[in-house]
Amino acid sequence: AQTVTQSQPEMSVQEAETVTLSCTYDTSESDYYLFWYKQPPSRQMILVIRQEAYKQQNATENRFSVNFQKAAKSFSLKISDSQLGDAAMYFCAYRSAKTDKLIFGTGTRLQVFP
Amino acid sequence: SAVISQKPSRDICQRGTSLTIQCQVDSQVTMMFWYRQQPGQSLTLIATANQGSEATYESGFVIDKFPISRPNLTFSTLTVSNMSPEDSSIYLCSVDLGGRSTQYFGPGTRLTVL
Repeated sequence: AQTVTQSQPEMSVQEAETVTLSCTYDTSESDYYLFWYKQPPSRQMILVIRQEAYKQQNATENRFSVNFQKAAKSFSLKISDSQLGDAAMYFCAYRSAKTDKLIFGTGTRLQVFP
Repeated sequence: SAVISQKPSRDICQRGTSLTIQCQVDSQVTMMFWYRQQPGQSLTLIATANQGSEATYESGFVIDKFPISRPNLTFSTLTVSNMSPEDSSIYLCSVDLGGRSTQYFGPGTRLTVL
């Protein structure tokens, strides 16, 4: 069975600085997708970024980028120029191309200080 | 992107009663998913609902406790039956959109059982 591990329960960053959130996963599959979702106190799950396993190029979305290391099964999220509105829970998620099931990590709470 | 709505946004219920949560999408989708997020925890998939077929439940979730309806391609309901305080959670629906194997989430329903 696939698992997703987020080893940082909490992280903090100064406004305008850069922070990296870690995520590792375990799978025997070769075809899958990886995601980062953000959940602010409003509880809405918001898609931050998406990566297909077959793509070697790391995905980027404005200030958000990933470091996808397929052999190491690592999928970290880098947030550049952090803003107060980035404060939230961040969940890493794995989706099997076979089963379509989305498996979430335990989350990392990000605090942003002015 | 599509709009996903859920009703109610929150509710406080007495133990032993049932609550039906609605999920509405403004475009037709094949697969809809229901998740539970217990306090301070990550998301756990309850079941997958395809239109025209019975919902597929994950291990630990049963139809008698969480009956699901999927009457058409834009709507689904999840009922939490015979509630106990342990059912206090956020319940979220999600859908696949854009043919990119990516799930987008509704705003969630916060349920408190007394």
